[in-house]
Amino acid sequence: GQQLNQSPQSMFIQEGEDVSMNCTSSSIFNTWLWYKQDPGEGPVLLIALYKAGELTSNGRLTAQFGITRKDSFLNISASIPSDVGIYFCAGEKGGTSYGKLTFGQGTILTVHP
Amino acid sequence: GAGVSQSPRYKVAKRGQDVALRCDPISGHVSLFWYQQALGQGPEFLTYFQNEAQLDKSGLPSDRFFAERPEGSVSTLKIQRTQQEDSAVYLCASSSRRQGAGANVLTFGAGSRLTVL
Repeated sequence: GQQLNQSPQSMFIQEGEDVSMNCTSSSIFNTWLWYKQDPGEGPVLLIALYKAGELTSNGRLTAQFGITRKDSFLNISASIPSDVGIYFCAGEKGGTSYGKLTFGQGTILTVHP
Repeated sequence: GAGVSQSPRYKVAKRGQDVALRCDPISGHVSLFWYQQALGQGPEFLTYFQNEAQLDKSGLPSDRFFAERPEGSVSTLKIQRTQQEDSAVYLCASSSRRQGAGANVLTFGAGSRLTVL
């Protein structure tokens, strides 16, 4: 099935560094979401974006909904060891596609102390 | 309960066996979703229920996959005559909002990992 183009696939960084990942699509989405998934767990919502151009922060996390509605990025500042995990972007088209999320393939983040 | 509960957490089946995976959504949540997550991939949508009505089953990969939510709370995903390509984590999610009621937040369960030998 369709998946969003998420990059990078993996990142190895030192504690304290900033991280940036992004997601692109060939089609428009009305909502962009960023999730984190730990091993053996389900995805947990980090940030939700509902308007084109919107920039939203949640602690050390900042995400933006692209103007074209076809892309989004997530930044993590001053990374810490507990940031380790897999980060997924997801888009929702809304309307009759309510809750029908299209996910990226994930970015595996490793943080070295 | 406080979260979405799924059982069993792990299931090993021989090819050709039928399996049933259960989801207990957050109490009172009207919307329930099933997703399939293959190894190393993001989740992919399977089906959506609003209360007991299955409003979208466009993601079910074949007619071997069947989902139900007869009383609008607990849901079961059934896979008949399992094949090796069915091996994946099956995630259930629920939401307090219904279709058309604005933006929603899905709460995911921890998933049921199915391995078909």
